[in-house]
Amino acid sequence: DAGITQSPRHKVTETGTPVTLRCHQTENHRYMYWYRQDPGHGLRLIHYSYGVKDTDKGEVSDGYSVSRSKTEDFLLTLESATSSQTSVYFCAISGGTETQYFGPGTRLLVL
Amino acid sequence: GDSVTQMEGPVTLSEEAFLTINCTYTATGYPSLFWYVQYPGEGLQLLLKATKADDKGSNKGFEATYRKETTSFHLEKGSVQVSDSAVYFCALSDAGNNRKLIWGLGTSLAVNP
Repeated sequence: DAGITQSPRHKVTETGTPVTLRCHQTENHRYMYWYRQDPGHGLRLIHYSYGVKDTDKGEVSDGYSVSRSKTEDFLLTLESATSSQTSVYFCAISGGTETQYFGPGTRLLVL
Repeated sequence: GDSVTQMEGPVTLSEEAFLTINCTYTATGYPSLFWYVQYPGEGLQLLLKATKADDKGSNKGFEATYRKETTSFHLEKGSVQVSDSAVYFCALSDAGNNRKLIWGLGTSLAVNP
């Protein structure tokens, strides 16, 4: 199994508060991705990174920001959480091939 | 743009039944094709993949063949088990575009004993 951890695994927060989710990898892979998974929508890409300090937007990036200051960590920040951001968030990594490897997910509930 | 369409679920089968989950794609280039599986409460795991036309990916009794002429990558298993109950996602590589994958919406499979 690829070495990917996500923290926290579960979080409950209130509308309007900032939230940061962390993805940590031990594989030294170049590419990292943040997805959200919602019923009826499958997986949607929020942001991705193609190297340290190199990031770009995905299809549902509004209200989210990311940072990658070192290879192993990719942070996702909800600047001011809204109820529509209640979801399950997955981090994925990719290295020498196109295959992506996924973390265990973070369940976020915004009240 | 490139896209993936997979059959809607849920699919409900009895143990030992034959499984087919249809996946078709549109792509301008020559993408790689993937099947991922998500067990309840877990992240997605790569099940199998194929990188060029006529390749067959296989794993854990599941198979899928990359059919360029029909733009399909259908997932099959000859005899399903209760432990195969999961959500299955078809995906294709967005060639050259930062290793992004384009995803189908997923098909939920429930296998009853």
